Amino acid sequence: DQQVKQNSPSLSVQEGRISILNCDYTNSMFDYFLWYKKYPAEGPTFLISISSIKDKNEDGRFTVFLNKSAKHLSLHIVPSQPGDSAVYFCAASARETSGSRLTFGEGTQLTVNP
Amino acid sequence: DTGVSQDPRHKITKRGQNVTFRCDPISEHNRLYWYRQTLGQGPEFLTYFQNEAQLEKSRLLSDRFSAERPKGSFSTLEIQRTEQGDSAMYLCASRNKDQPQHFGDGTRLSIL
Repeated sequence: DQQVKQNSPSLSVQEGRISILNCDYTNSMFDYFLWYKKYPAEGPTFLISISSIKDKNEDGRFTVFLNKSAKHLSLHIVPSQPGDSAVYFCAASARETSGSRLTFGEGTQLTVNP
Repeated sequence: DTGVSQDPRHKITKRGQNVTFRCDPISEHNRLYWYRQTLGQGPEFLTYFQNEAQLEKSRLLSDRFSAERPKGSFSTLEIQRTEQGDSAMYLCASRNKDQPQHFGDGTRLSIL
């Protein structure tokens, strides 16, 4: 079963506008959530994370929002830049169990048009 | 800052052959993870080491797969009698406690 889902395979936005990437999860044991960015032929690069005790975490242009009741998180990028074009993966873990193994979504291809 | 290093970057082999991949984690990281990624999917967990101890293995890790981390530093992942379905990107990640996992660039395996 797919415990972490990213329902949008792709997203296209104009440079300077906001990009919103969404992620849903089903496992209520997940207590730590991360976003990774992946360029072709490279490994995933860590972007930002959030613990389940928070509902928002911000780092520069990147903000992650967590809605535990809806089991939903989102990544906001503002303003979007062409260099942000990549595949974005949402990941989740249950830190008290399983050594914090990550469960990933399928990814969303973000394209930022100049 | 030296990141996670994986070798080789690409491996092409015939079905039925054995292959071995190596991962060198970030030097002070005591936790090491292996994942597999197929086209259009996110990475899937395979196994996890804390120092030299292999603490968890996914059901995806069949009997043909074995992983080691003999001195708690680098790790190897071996696949015996490779099959077409083993074609994938194999990713290694490492971290310390309370840190996010940092990934290498992976080894792409192609089975002919």
